[in-house]
Amino acid sequence: EAGVAQSPRYKIIEKRQSVAFWCNPISGHATLYWYQQILGQGPKLLIQFQNNGVVDDSQLPKDRFSAERLKGVDSTLKIQPAKLEDSAVYLCASSPLGDLSTDTQYFGPGTRLTVL
Amino acid sequence: AQSVTQLGSHVSVSEGALVLLRCNYSSSVPPYLFWYVQYPNQGLQLLLKYTSAATLVKGINGFEAEFKKSETSFHLTKPSAHMSDAAEYFCAVRRSGAGSYQLTFGKGTKLSVIP
Repeated sequence: EAGVAQSPRYKIIEKRQSVAFWCNPISGHATLYWYQQILGQGPKLLIQFQNNGVVDDSQLPKDRFSAERLKGVDSTLKIQPAKLEDSAVYLCASSPLGDLSTDTQYFGPGTRLTVL
Repeated sequence: AQSVTQLGSHVSVSEGALVLLRCNYSSSVPPYLFWYVQYPNQGLQLLLKYTSAATLVKGINGFEAEFKKSETSFHLTKPSAHMSDAAEYFCAVRRSGAGSYQLTFGKGTKLSVIP
């Protein structure tokens, strides 16, 4: 079974530029998550989708971050414009449709973003 | 609100020695608890989870954790460390019950194994 795929793996941009990340979850997984992991910290949930609907985006900085999951499969996360403090690893995870409290989340390798 | 505290950002053990990584949680309702491992340049992988069944949970790679409500703890242990266990370990908590609740992670503990 193929895992969660993410691209690109690394990205370096200057502040105020825009950037987009792509995630392809495990086939058949209804729930998709985007996390931000700043160096030295645990992952923080940015947004959670169930199929193509948003379940939780309470920690997404909506003035600069946006995400979509068209057709309930792939997802993109965009930052526009980027700030220095956005430097982090952006992790995508997916889980099957079931008990959202106990379901295992499967993580992709992440995209490491450096904002100069 | 739920939170976890991982004691020790860096733990070193000798190969073959006991591994003990500490996690304390705070939750207003009975929690679900998870341990994830992250190898360099990789995503997180679930080691084990507590979802209100047995308090002693066995996971992959010989790891286990015990849920102790009286101590609000969920420490991760392994009897004998291997070099391949060197990684970063994250404890996480999630609220139990119906609905979709965020998985809240601790800051992580980096485990080094000395040959």
